[in-house]
This record gives sequence, structure tokens and C-alpha cells, in this order.
Amino acid sequence: AQSVTQLDSQVPVFEEAPVELRCNYSSSVSVYLFWYVQYPNQGLQLLLKYLSGSTLVKGINGFEAEFNKSQTSFHLRKPSVHISDTAEYFCAVSGDTGTASKLTFGTGTRLQVTL
Amino acid sequence: GAVVSQHPSRVICKSGTSVKIECRSLDFQATTMFWYRQFPKQSLMLMATSNEGSKATYEQGVEKDKFLINHASLTLSTLTVTSAHPEDSSFYICSAVRTHANNEQFFGPGTRLTVL
Repeated sequence: AQSVTQLDSQVPVFEEAPVELRCNYSSSVSVYLFWYVQYPNQGLQLLLKYLSGSTLVKGINGFEAEFNKSQTSFHLRKPSVHISDTAEYFCAVSGDTGTASKLTFGTGTRLQVTL
Repeated sequence: GAVVSQHPSRVICKSGTSVKIECRSLDFQATTMFWYRQFPKQSLMLMATSNEGSKATYEQGVEKDKFLINHASLTLSTLTVTSAHPEDSSFYICSAVRTHANNEQFFGPGTRLTVL
């Protein structure tokens, strides 16, 4: 079984400040890790994903995440946020079971960027 | 590329009626599609896995007779909420896995269902 923990339900931050959204996972098998962003009343958009290879993954909109196997973490970071980054962010994990694996989502972190 | 649409985007219906939600992959073929529901300020909960040409696989606790899923083609899956009740009100999101792609799901924009 897999699970994802996003400890921070809300993260307030000022514009142009750095931000880190935390994600920890548990799994008994190899994992694929994802970060998605959801704007109000919309579906999910993929920010970045870790499948294998380099543990530092760069995504869209200036976001990056680092896979840390020993700490079972996949924290999302951005060095300077914008007002437009205000949204809900979901960390997700899927197992190494071939194509079309199910995703298990964390409970989400609301990033609120203010001036 | 990899666009997924859902129709309708919003629907309001009376209690006891049935509602059909369509999920289409517009520019790719999807052997597998997933259906999720999301309650306000909560995460996505997987309801079922829809496989083209075969019966859907439902997650534990999801009533298959209430949430009918049909995946009749490689670009279309439908979710029918039968005899809807107010507790079925939710945001329903589908995703599609591009055939021969490596596990990436592409999400639709969601359908807001309100049952009066």
C-alpha cells in the first residue's frame, strides 16, 4: 500500500519570497512521484514528476522538487513565487506496476501568495 | 497535445434523476481512464478505473450500480450517476493515460455536480 502525507494544509507567503511545500510518502515498492497544481474549479495540471534518474527534478513555472529516498520525501520548491502561483498543490505517488498505475494523492497544500 | 475534456462542466439536477458525465481524450488514445471525486477542500479520491472494452474496476466502498462507467472507445469514457442524491454532490474529475506513455495521467477540467 502507498500513502502520501502533506503536512502543511496551508502555506502563506509573500510575493517574491521562496517557498517549500512538503511531501512525504510511504511505499513498499519503487515509486513514481508527482506534483500537481489545481486552480479553483479546474482539473489538475502536472508540475513535475520523478520516474528515475536525477533526484532533482525541474518542472514548469519555475518549480523544482528533490527526491530523497532515505527520507522518503519529495518536497516542492520555488525560489521566488508570484501571485499567480496561488493555488492548491497535490503530491501523488504511483507504484511501479507498469502502465496506467493508480495515483494516490496527498491531502493538498493551499499556497496563498500575497503582496 | 494530451488534452482531456469533460462535459458538462457544471450540472444541477433534482434528487432521483440520473446524470451522465463524459470524459474525452481529444488528441490521443487512452486505453485507461480514471474517475475521481473531490469534496470541497479535500483531495481526490479514486472511484474507479475504466478500461476500454472491458468492465470498470471500482475502488472499495464505491457502488458500481450507482456509478456506472462505460469506456466504449479509446477516446471516450462516461460516468453515469444513477438516482442521484444530495450526498452525491461533488466535483468529478477524470484522467486519461495515453497509450504507450509512461504512467502519466492527463486530467480533465472536472464536472461540478449539484443534486438538489
